Amino acid sequence: SYVLTQPPSESVAPGQTATITCGGDNIGSKSIHWYQQRPGQAPILVVYEDDDRPSGIPERFSGSNSGNTATLTISGAEAGDEGDYYCQMWDSNSDHWVFGGGTRLTVL
Amino acid sequence: EVQLVESGGGLVQPGGSLRLSCAASGFSVSNDFVSWVRQAPGQGLEWVAIVYASGTTYYADSVRDRFTISRDGPKNTVYLQMNSLRVQDTAVYYCARSEISSSVFDYWGRGTLVTVSS
Repeated sequence: SYVLTQPPSESVAPGQTATITCGGDNIGSKSIHWYQQRPGQAPILVVYEDDDRPSGIPERFSGSNSGNTATLTISGAEAGDEGDYYCQMWDSNSDHWVFGGGTRLTVL
Repeated sequence: EVQLVESGGGLVQPGGSLRLSCAASGFSVSNDFVSWVRQAPGQGLEWVAIVYASGTTYYADSVRDRFTISRDGPKNTVYLQMNSLRVQDTAVYYCARSEISSSVFDYWGRGTLVTVSS
């Protein structure tokens, strides 16, 4: 089935911009969603359908998707943004729902 | 307000069975999609199974023929019957909602821990 590839870790200084990538074959033709998971908590949706934000998610979170890479961008990173981030999609060929391996974001 | 509450986790021996429940409120499990997603200790998220509004079900290859997802409309609850459990099934199991015809998990429960060990 379809594979989504994420870097294991990223780091960003407070106030700077963090970018987390999600790679896949022609991923730009898919609808990609992003989740944040803080330690010990359930995941929460931060970006859906490539670049939309649910209500309550700060504008600092944005997404894009083109070619073979989808990207989650966090502007003005804060300590509270630390955690694991997962990309996800539905694979229509297999009717399987797929997650990337996750990226641990450190704000230091 | 949409809420999902999982229950039924615990310690079970390899080869044993367990049934998880996901009690939903704020929406109808008969009109939307509900999935089970698991997370092994220190690992990432893994989709396990889904029940569509139509009643159609799909499973990850790792659990097909061992796990069964079902729902009870009047109780507004989704279940995951897990048989022939393996040590590798040890994980926190979350249930998650997707609006009908949507591929996004917009609401999640807090999870229930399943430990498979002798």
